[in-house]
Amino acid sequence: GESVGLHLPTLSVQEGDNSIINCAYSNSASDYFIWYKQESGKGPQFIIDIRSNMDKRQGQRVTVLLNKTVKHLSLQIAATQPGDSAVYFCAEGSLFKAAGNKLTFGGGTRVLVKP
Amino acid sequence: DTAVSQTPKYLVTQMGNDKSIKCEQNLGHDTMYWYKQDSKKFLKIMFSYNNKELIINETVPNRFSPKSPDKAHLNLHINSLELGDSAVYFCASSQDPRNYNSPLHFGNGTRLTVT
Repeated sequence: GESVGLHLPTLSVQEGDNSIINCAYSNSASDYFIWYKQESGKGPQFIIDIRSNMDKRQGQRVTVLLNKTVKHLSLQIAATQPGDSAVYFCAEGSLFKAAGNKLTFGGGTRVLVKP
Repeated sequence: DTAVSQTPKYLVTQMGNDKSIKCEQNLGHDTMYWYKQDSKKFLKIMFSYNNKELIINETVPNRFSPKSPDKAHLNLHINSLELGDSAVYFCASSQDPRNYNSPLHFGNGTRLTVT
């Protein structure tokens, strides 16, 4: 079936540097994309989302970029902090009513922030 | 605190037993979900309820039966537990899934271990 995947399973980054987490998706019908952060022992926590009619969206220290041509999604974290250490998931879905809010999650990227 | 809360946090049981996991959200959301996360961190949707009505039912064994007494609660009952059911189960909720600004809010998970 269609799936969402990630290029890098583990990303080590120096504290203060910027992080980029990449994600490839395969379902061209998806029109909604979202990034989650999961810390150890906790549930995924919403970071930022983007609709397919946009190619960039910024939040606090985070930016999501969407390239529909190559079906690529990325999450940029500025000035990475130790608290950013976690597993990051991208997910794709559809805003159509019939699809409900069914999200397909990627396999996750672990980000390790080195002091 | 406003949150999605699920109990128990840990559940260890033997094969063949029947167990339930409870979930409650006080966010006023209309839709609730159950996700399963395996040992490789893959998150996959199992069920979704909107105002007590089942709207998503993925290919899940009949041994799994969700029950939604009201829109703030979605419990998961599992019959005849098998070793392969060992995983972390996450409950989540969201507003109307047609609403763009309605990301999933996850609970902290229930780690089920079947021995």
